[in-house]
Amino acid sequence: QVQLVQSGAEVKKPGASVMVSCKASGFSFSDYYIHWVRQAPGQGLEWMGSINPNGGGTNYAQNFQDRITVTSDSSTTTVYMKLSSLTSADSAVCYCARGRTMMVTTPFDSWGQGTLVTVSS
Amino acid sequence: DIQMTQSPSTLSASVGDRVTISCRASQSISTYLAWYQQKAGKAPKLLIYQASSLESGVPSRFSGSGSGTEFTLTISSLQPEDLATYYCQHYYDFSWAFGQGTKVEIK
Repeated sequence: QVQLVQSGAEVKKPGASVMVSCKASGFSFSDYYIHWVRQAPGQGLEWMGSINPNGGGTNYAQNFQDRITVTSDSSTTTVYMKLSSLTSADSAVCYCARGRTMMVTTPFDSWGQGTLVTVSS
Repeated sequence: DIQMTQSPSTLSASVGDRVTISCRASQSISTYLAWYQQKAGKAPKLLIYQASSLESGVPSRFSGSGSGTEFTLTISSLQPEDLATYYCQHYYDFSWAFGQGTKVEIK
């Protein structure tokens, strides 16, 4: 079955960077886009960016364009999301999610368990 | 960027009621619209894609309609397990964005 398993909770100081991983299994890794979505405490869902593991092409939301890097490693079927220049406003649960089909224009049908990122001095 | 606006923000209904949630896009997105259910402390779950197609395993009391800029999620007979926040999402033109969510409470 499709599984996305994320790395554990992180605590970072303002100005630092955080990297969250998402280990995929149960499907052909290179065939599906992987996306990152975050949710601040008590708030809604915010799309951050995505990667096509077949070639590494990325799309980033305008709000994160200068601070986010999404990469993938086909040898370990893992996707990474790095967010830099952290502030307290970046404290949130980050989810990875898989595109429902092999097309780029598709919603997300499988989600990781979420990784809590806390930014605090 | 395409903005998604949901209404209402919160609704309270009784078990068995018909519930309707609206979602409006700031420009036409054809039928590139999905609905998700998120229960407290859990990841979102895909309910509806392509505006009106029911995801496998989702109960038939959930349905979606609309195209262009106006969309609706309907729960035909509200059940206690439907207590959750519901989000619409567009996936048009190499971008993705969610509405702000509608919290459904059981009276």
